[in-house]
Amino acid sequence: DTAVSQTPKYLVTQMGNDKSIKCEQNLGHDTMYWYKQDSKKFLKIMFSYNNKELIINETVPNRFSPKSPDKAHLNLHINSLELGDSAVYFCASSYRGGRDYEQYFGPGTRLTVT
Amino acid sequence: AQTVTQSQPEMSVQEAETVTLSCTYDTSESDYYLFWYKQPPSRQMILVIRQEAYKQQNATENRFSVNFQKAAKSFSLKISDSQLGDAAMYFCAYRSGWTGGGNKLTFGTGTQLKVEL
Repeated sequence: DTAVSQTPKYLVTQMGNDKSIKCEQNLGHDTMYWYKQDSKKFLKIMFSYNNKELIINETVPNRFSPKSPDKAHLNLHINSLELGDSAVYFCASSYRGGRDYEQYFGPGTRLTVT
Repeated sequence: AQTVTQSQPEMSVQEAETVTLSCTYDTSESDYYLFWYKQPPSRQMILVIRQEAYKQQNATENRFSVNFQKAAKSFSLKISDSQLGDAAMYFCAYRSGWTGGGNKLTFGTGTQLKVEL
């Protein structure tokens, strides 16, 4: 019973291609996130959605477009991939309010752009 | 904006010994949460321990405990009786108590912990 799942776990593609990463959570959370972990292991927020509404967009290039069809799913579509997009992308989920605030992370998707 | 600093890129500890990982943060907020996450080679992010800023008592979870110094904006992690399975990258993270900010986690740069026999 995986709480936060991502597909695929590994993605190798060429520059200029378009790719998507899918995320699903079965925890009943109302907020989902995308984080990027670069080659130096630094983790940074990219996007956050609450009940399908975008609430955080951290100066991410327009080539990245998140989509949330419902509060259990958050997908990340990347257009015109560049070498610098190579990273591990983590999806996470949590409740937005209250004191139950822990963020649960998916297993990550390692994207390699050649 | 909040920042989180981990000044120790790498630490080593002997099995069964105790190690302390350092973390400092900068914020003007009074309501916030602090976390330590562990990332083993499998890359899965695992929550180790969390601390609410309004609580004076330091959080503990089995062999893991924190030393939370709110005035000094310091949040160190102590691992007692270190085990081989503790070897991982450890990240300190901050989350604002203001939900209007979107609940994002701000991470430090991480400390790679090695456990030696």
